[in-house]
Amino acid sequence: DSGVTQTPKHLITATGQRVTLRCSPRSGDLSVYWYQQSLDQGLQFLIQYYNGEERAKGNILERFSAQQFPDLHSELNLSSLELGDSALYFCASSVEGGGEAFFGQGTRLTVV
Amino acid sequence: EDQVTQSPEALRLQEGESSSLNCSYTVSGLRGLFWYRQDPGKGPEFLFTLYSAGEEKEKERLKATLTKKESFLHITAPKPEDSATYLCAVQTLYSSASKIIFGSGTRLSIRP
Repeated sequence: DSGVTQTPKHLITATGQRVTLRCSPRSGDLSVYWYQQSLDQGLQFLIQYYNGEERAKGNILERFSAQQFPDLHSELNLSSLELGDSALYFCASSVEGGGEAFFGQGTRLTVV
Repeated sequence: EDQVTQSPEALRLQEGESSSLNCSYTVSGLRGLFWYRQDPGKGPEFLFTLYSAGEEKEKERLKATLTKKESFLHITAPKPEDSATYLCAVQTLYSSASKIIFGSGTRLSIRP
């Protein structure tokens, strides 16, 4: 157990809908990362937050947004969902913001 | 363009047969290079961080090394439980923000 909690574990929704994925980081970790993993594109870095502020941005679509709250949990919002958004979404956390992060078990999103 | 390439894509070894996995990278500035292990359906598990050329890290049967252009993950006398996908990631170093780029991974299979 990495100490990073993601909910829900599975999510099935229709195209055009909006969903919210939630992440609770390890106790004491200030940095949260979001990743998308699909079969054809591997693990793609989406965005990083550090102590409530956006630190770095990767290949995140405009339809996606994220935030980190004062209690350090984070949410990833995906809107106007398309079939191609079906993937595993991972959250990871670290103490400071380096790449040595601890990953949650992921949320498997299926868009039908 | 920042890029991380892992080879081979897949590797099948006999138990006890040592080998190496390669991660080559092209980035404008390197903040750190990281190795992860990922089991099917689970989040990546952090293994090592390397920061500068010549650095080496060891953990049980695994040893990671770093040069200016690539990193190797050496596996000595592997066991079937070492079977997994091994991911390499680099964190870039920019003045305003850094990105984390993952390679596509090497699927390692160890036969008893």
